[in-house]
Amino acid sequence: EVQLLESGGGLVQPGGSLRLSCAASGFTFSSYAMSWVRQAPGRGLEWVSTLNGGGGSTYYADSVKGRFTISRDNSKNTLYLQMNSLRADDTAIYYCAKALAGSYSRLDYWGQGTLVTVAS
Amino acid sequence: QSVLTQPPSASGTPGQRVTFSCSGSSSNIGSNTVIWYQQLPGTAPKLLIYSNNQRPSGVPDRFSGSKSGTSASLAISGLQSEDEADYYCSAWDDSLNGLVFGGGTKLTVL
Repeated sequence: EVQLLESGGGLVQPGGSLRLSCAASGFTFSSYAMSWVRQAPGRGLEWVSTLNGGGGSTYYADSVKGRFTISRDNSKNTLYLQMNSLRADDTAIYYCAKALAGSYSRLDYWGQGTLVTVAS
Repeated sequence: QSVLTQPPSASGTPGQRVTFSCSGSSSNIGSNTVIWYQQLPGTAPKLLIYSNNQRPSGVPDRFSGSKSGTSASLAISGLQSEDEADYYCSAWDDSLNGLVFGGGTKLTVL
């Protein structure tokens, strides 16, 4: 059974940093692209970043480019999102999601999310 | 402002058929496949339709998707109360080199 478990969320001040983790199990982690998608309170889904299975190709939304870094440790079956220079509009539930084989866009499994709150 | 355009709300009565629209452009829906997600209240999104019209195992055949040009549609037939949720369309955007979502349509089952 595929499981994705996010952690690392919390309250952080504007300008601060946070690192999210997503522990994966139930599939061959290194074979699949992974993504982070966020959802601000009461708002819709917003794609944040995608990383291919090998970790060599990264993609970012313009809203986070230069501030966030996606990475993975395939030996630990874990996906990360390093978030720097956080702003109030980064406040959201952050979901990690697994892509279907051979795809970046078709996200077939999602974690339950971790809440990031940026406030002073 | 979302790249893909969806109506904010829709409604129907049990047993009815409802459809949701999703409008994009040549760089997203026009050149890539469309994905639909269902998000029940307080839960993570769930993959509903991929590659325009394919259902993952476990998704009832009451759900169907289609695409034409730069627009896509999701249809639910035999509407049930448990279908009350938010529905999002999505596609890869070649110009943005990233994934784009619609703003979501909130379905109310009356």
